[in-house]
Order: sequence, then C-alpha cells, then structure tokens
Amino acid sequence: DADVTQTPRNRITKTGKRIMLECSQTKGHDRMYWYRQDPGLGLRLIYYSFDVKDINKGEISDGYSVSRQAQAKFSLSLESAIPNQTALYFCATSDFREQYFGPGTRLTVT
Amino acid sequence: AQTVTQSQPEMSVQEAETVTLSCTYDTSESDYYLFWYKQPPSRQMILVIRQEAYKQQNATENRFSVNFQKAAKSFSLKISDSQLGDAAMYFCAYRSEYTGANSKLTFGKGITLSVRP
Repeated sequence: DADVTQTPRNRITKTGKRIMLECSQTKGHDRMYWYRQDPGLGLRLIYYSFDVKDINKGEISDGYSVSRQAQAKFSLSLESAIPNQTALYFCATSDFREQYFGPGTRLTVT
Repeated sequence: AQTVTQSQPEMSVQEAETVTLSCTYDTSESDYYLFWYKQPPSRQMILVIRQEAYKQQNATENRFSVNFQKAAKSFSLKISDSQLGDAAMYFCAYRSEYTGANSKLTFGKGITLSVRP
C-alpha cells in the first residue's frame, strides 16, 4: 500500500462549489504539505503543518483552507472554487532527509 | 528567499546517449539540500537524487549523477545511457537545512525530457 494517499485522484467541479481534497499518510511523519502544480510554474506551496496544532500558510494560500484532523490526515478545501484553481494538487510528508509525495489530485473547475 | 531556476523548458536525447539537465539556485544559506525529482506521465513525483551542500562529493545513483558547484550555485543532473523510461518532466528543488525552516521544498519550473528511440 502507498505511504501517502490522496482522494479523489481526479475531480471536475463547477465554479462556486466547495470541494475538499483529502490526504492520508502511514509514514508517521509530523510534517505535511499541500502543493499546487501548474504547467510552466513547477510546484508551489499552499499550506504546511508541523503537527495537528501547527498550521501555516505557504506562498499561495489565498482561496484555500486546510484541516489537520490527526497526525495522519491533512485536508485541503476550496471554499468557493474558481477556474484558475484548476491544477494538479500534491500532498507530501517529510522526515529530515526528504519529502514523500502522494499520487496527486487533478482538479478541474469549469 | 531562495529561488531555483531551470532555464531550459525542453530537451531531447537519443536513446543510450548522455544528457545533462541544468539548474541554478540562489540562497544566502550555507547549509541546504538539493534534489532532482522525476515526474513521468503517471504524474507521480519520484526522487531521483539528493545532495547535501556540506558534501563536496557529487551524489550518484546508478545512471544518474550530479555536478554540484556550490560557489557557482549550480546543480546539474547527468543521465547516462538514456532509456525510453527516462522520458519525463524533471524538477530541481531546494530545501533549507536550518531547523527553523519548515522543510518545504522550493521547486524550479521543470524541464521536459524526451528520449528518441
């Protein structure tokens, strides 16, 4: 089984809808991250969390919120989706050596 | 703030040949990590190689090696004996060593590598 899982893998939604992307990990790491990938822009950090009580904004947090329900779970929400939030979203965890990525969620906002 | 630059958006290599992907970065820190990630069409992010800035020796992983030039802030990836499965997007990334940092990765924009049979 994968160490970092994301659900759903693909999602199409309409402008104005609320949507939640979920991430779970079995690696036992405290640190978790949400990144967004856009063509030609690489990956950019949306939010990160050091533990369930420590959540921090990344470089592009506007329009997003997160919830750290447990050490193993970190969810990303779009309260009112807009078309320019169409992107590939990655969850990741880290130890002192490297980050471990989930398989990604392809989100399309029409 | 740290920045990572990959100036070549695309490259192509003949199967079995060698190709070098370029990456430069900007930082005022002396201790950090550098990474190359591979993203095939499956879109999974796969760690290719990792370099600690305090190590003078260049990292190698089988057919993959880096040329780390700390003074020049350059971190290139060399792929030897290229295979069709090497075709992917490759990202260079930076991570601070300091415990006060959040261990987040700063990515370059990526380069698409195609392999000609």
